[in-house]
Amino acid sequence: KAGVTQTPRYLIKTRGQQVTLSCSPISGHRSVSWYQQTPGQGLQFLFEYFSETQRNKGNFPGRFSGRQFSNSRSEMNVSTLELGDSALYLCASSSPKDRARGGYTFGSGTRLTVV
Amino acid sequence: AQRVTQPEKLLSVFKGAPVELKCNYSYSGSPELFWYVQYSRQRLQLLLRHISRESIKGFTADLNKGETSFHLKKPFAQEEDSAMYYCALSGAGGTSYGKLTFGQGTILTVHP
Repeated sequence: KAGVTQTPRYLIKTRGQQVTLSCSPISGHRSVSWYQQTPGQGLQFLFEYFSETQRNKGNFPGRFSGRQFSNSRSEMNVSTLELGDSALYLCASSSPKDRARGGYTFGSGTRLTVV
Repeated sequence: AQRVTQPEKLLSVFKGAPVELKCNYSYSGSPELFWYVQYSRQRLQLLLRHISRESIKGFTADLNKGETSFHLKKPFAQEEDSAMYYCALSGAGGTSYGKLTFGQGTILTVHP
C-alpha cells in the first residue's frame, strides 16, 4: 500500500508570507499528526487530527494551524512566517490498531526554508 | 510533563562490538516507549516498542520503570545499523492522541 505522502518536498518562502503543506495518509488511516524537526529543538509535536477534528495540540503559536478533510488528507498552515520556522515538517498517520502499537507511519517531510 | 532524554548525541563502535543507546524518560504514569530509526535518506520508521518485548534486527530494549530507562541494545553491531535512533514516549489518555515525545536522537556509526 502507498505510504504517507507529503507535498511539496521543498519550499522557499519569504518572511511574512504564509504557507500550506499537505499530507495524504495511508489509505484507511484516520489519524494524522504533524511534527516540526529542527537541529536545535529536534522533533516537536504540532497537532493531531482524527476524523476532521483536532484532538491534540502542541505548544506552538496560533500562527500554526491545520485541518483535515473527509478523505483524511490533512493540511497545515503557517501564517506570517518567521526565520525560525525554517524546518522539516513531518506528517505521520496511524490507525487505532497501529496507534496502540506505537505504529505511526511517517512521510518524507516538507523542507521549509524561510528567507 | 513528559520528557525523553538521550544523553549521547554521537556513538561510534566497531563492527561486531556490543552497542547500547541510552534513553531515560520522565512521565507521571504508565508510558508507552518506542525506538524509531532513520537510516540515511530514508523515512523515520518504528524499530520496536516496549509492549511487544520483541527483538528487531537483533535489537532489544527493556523498560526499567525503577530507573525510568528504555535503553536499546544489540550484542553485535553491523555496519548497516549506522543510523539516527530516536527514543519516543506516548502517554495515556486524551493528551496523548497522536503525540510522541521524542528524545534528541543518537547518531550511531558502526565502523568496519
